[in-house]
Amino acid sequence: GENVEQHPSTLSVQEGDSAVIKCTYSDSASNYFPWYKQELGKRPQLIIDIRSNVGEKKDQRIAVTLNKTAKHFSLHITETQPEDSAVYFCAATLRGAQKLVFGQGTRLTINP
Amino acid sequence: KAGVTQTPRYLIKTRGQQVTLSCSPISGHRSVSWYQQTPGQGLQFLFEYFSETQRNKGNFPGRFSGRQFSNSRSEMNVSTLELGDSALYLCASSDGGGQLNTEAFFGQGTRLTVV
Repeated sequence: GENVEQHPSTLSVQEGDSAVIKCTYSDSASNYFPWYKQELGKRPQLIIDIRSNVGEKKDQRIAVTLNKTAKHFSLHITETQPEDSAVYFCAATLRGAQKLVFGQGTRLTINP
Repeated sequence: KAGVTQTPRYLIKTRGQQVTLSCSPISGHRSVSWYQQTPGQGLQFLFEYFSETQRNKGNFPGRFSGRQFSNSRSEMNVSTLELGDSALYLCASSDGGGQLNTEAFFGQGTRLTVV
């Protein structure tokens, strides 16, 4: 199968706290895992990505971890700020296939 | 470099009509993918084109079709529109060559409303 499951669907955290969003994928051949942020009324934009030969990647307050054995990957946002409020999508692309499969999205709300 | 451009931005159509949406990718990008975005279903993959060839197709009925031109611009067509086709249609271009393992850049989308 070619499914990407994302949890939770909604997440509310206090400003300054951390947020974690998790995704699982079904195809062990998946080799590229991007995360997109979509603000209200705007297009999705890449915030971080990771490839299957790497276990963790960090960019300032954002980090992604990948567990190939368990077939799951997670987005971690630390020291959350109001501008982090958005819908976040994980995705997985299939090696040999030209298809990027997205998770259902997580609506993250940062409470001041 | 200009971003991905989609036209038109908004469309209102009547059930049974057909519609054509256009996507101009970033210059030099040869891969164009199309997605349907609805509130409850997230981003659903429609199809992907590379160098004028459809390489992959999602689970949508045959009413949804597309094509890509030699300049990499792509169009998607929906025939015999249904109310359930109302959605935001997004296209994305990338420069990954044979693999979709590089950043996909999205357009602003075309919001289609079927009445």
